Amino acid sequence: EDQVTQSPEALRLQEGESSSLNCSYTVSGLRGLFWYRQDPGKGPEFLFTLYSAGEEKEKERLKATLTKKESFLHITAPKPEDSATYLCAVQMYGGATNKLIFGTGTLLAVQP
Amino acid sequence: DAGVTQSPTHLIKTRGQQVTLRCSPKSGHDTVSWYQQALGQGPQFIFQYYEEEERQRGNFPDRFSGHQFPNYSSELNVNALLLGDSALYLCASSWGAAGANVLTFGAGSRLTVL
Repeated sequence: EDQVTQSPEALRLQEGESSSLNCSYTVSGLRGLFWYRQDPGKGPEFLFTLYSAGEEKEKERLKATLTKKESFLHITAPKPEDSATYLCAVQMYGGATNKLIFGTGTLLAVQP
Repeated sequence: DAGVTQSPTHLIKTRGQQVTLRCSPKSGHDTVSWYQQALGQGPQFIFQYYEEEERQRGNFPDRFSGHQFPNYSSELNVNALLLGDSALYLCASSWGAAGANVLTFGAGSRLTVL
């Protein structure tokens, strides 16, 4: 069964304390892996798309990497405004759709 | 440039009632997908509409139905509401129905079933 698992479920960091979020997946054929950020009461906001193992993308304090079985979202020197839920999602080959399968997310809290 | 807009933002219904949620996609997008997000969970795919047809459906009962209009806007209808239907309903739009296209999400409609 196609599955996406994120860890940890929740993470509390001090401002400036770097860390990583994990997204592991088991799918039959990966077309793309997506990272979204979701603030309370809002819809997910797109961060990155990764397509192949070894690929990396960066945006400000965030860096996403991809292997054949998992993806990491590295947060360097986080600030309180980085507090949010980070969602990982995968899209598979097959079917006339760009349907995403999401994980349950990691709730990140960055304290000043 | 307006993103994805959804209405209403919040609504309360009782068991057995019916509800209609509405979505206008981002300008330039022609495909609309609907997701259900229960509290503390990730979004779950309900179905996708492209060229006014349902293209794929997730694991949701027939009580969930939808429609896409010629202007690409969409509606999600849920009949015979159950307590378990309480969730945030997210609309996402994209260009094209296939490929690794980035989905743009709306802020959602928060449905509470009493």
